[in-house]
Amino acid sequence: EPEVTQTPSHQVTQMGQEVILRCVPISNHLYFYWYRQILGQKVEFLVSFYNNEISEKSEIFDDQFSVERPDGSNFTLKIRSTKLEDSAMYFCASSAQGYGYTFGSGTRLTVV
Amino acid sequence: AQKVTQAQTEISVVEKEDVTLDCVYETRDTTYYLFWYKQPPSGELVFLIRRNSFDEQNEISGRYSWNFQKSTSSFNFTITASQVVDSAVYFCALSPLNSGGSNYKLTFGKGTLLTVNP
Repeated sequence: EPEVTQTPSHQVTQMGQEVILRCVPISNHLYFYWYRQILGQKVEFLVSFYNNEISEKSEIFDDQFSVERPDGSNFTLKIRSTKLEDSAMYFCASSAQGYGYTFGSGTRLTVV
Repeated sequence: AQKVTQAQTEISVVEKEDVTLDCVYETRDTTYYLFWYKQPPSGELVFLIRRNSFDEQNEISGRYSWNFQKSTSSFNFTITASQVVDSAVYFCALSPLNSGGSNYKLTFGKGTLLTVNP
């Protein structure tokens, strides 16, 4: 069964450093999403991406965040200057029709 | 705005007991999808079910069943004869059914931690 692949599975970074979280969505999917889950809390929407542009972003997704689909297969989330409160599990998801997501297994980001 | 409420923060049962996880939602959309996801201790999100707002038929899949009641805006999930492997956090979620083609973001509830003891 096709999978959404996220790398790395766990990343530790120093506060203030830039991080790039990588995702390889399912190849024929058109809709891409990033979600975040702070430890012990609910899963929160960050951003949706369709037709090579952001279709919606949440208030969490401020200027420190950006997304890119640089080469038609990868979908990346960049955090420019990490803060302690960015520590969370980040999930990538893709979908062919918009609904019916497939989630990746997540990247656990720890900011120290 | 969309909202999903899972009032039960934690439930603990003994193996073989039946357990129902409650989910109540709010939306102004007339058409929408409802979902349940399981998050085991390993952390990934495992899709369990998607229902659209047109279809209020209950669904059964093995030990799992779902009760969708539009009149009360509820989408409850029952596990029959629970097993230790069912221990996980369960999330209910909601998305638009037709958002104009560009965004079907999911709104999650806070989750219910189910612990099944042997």
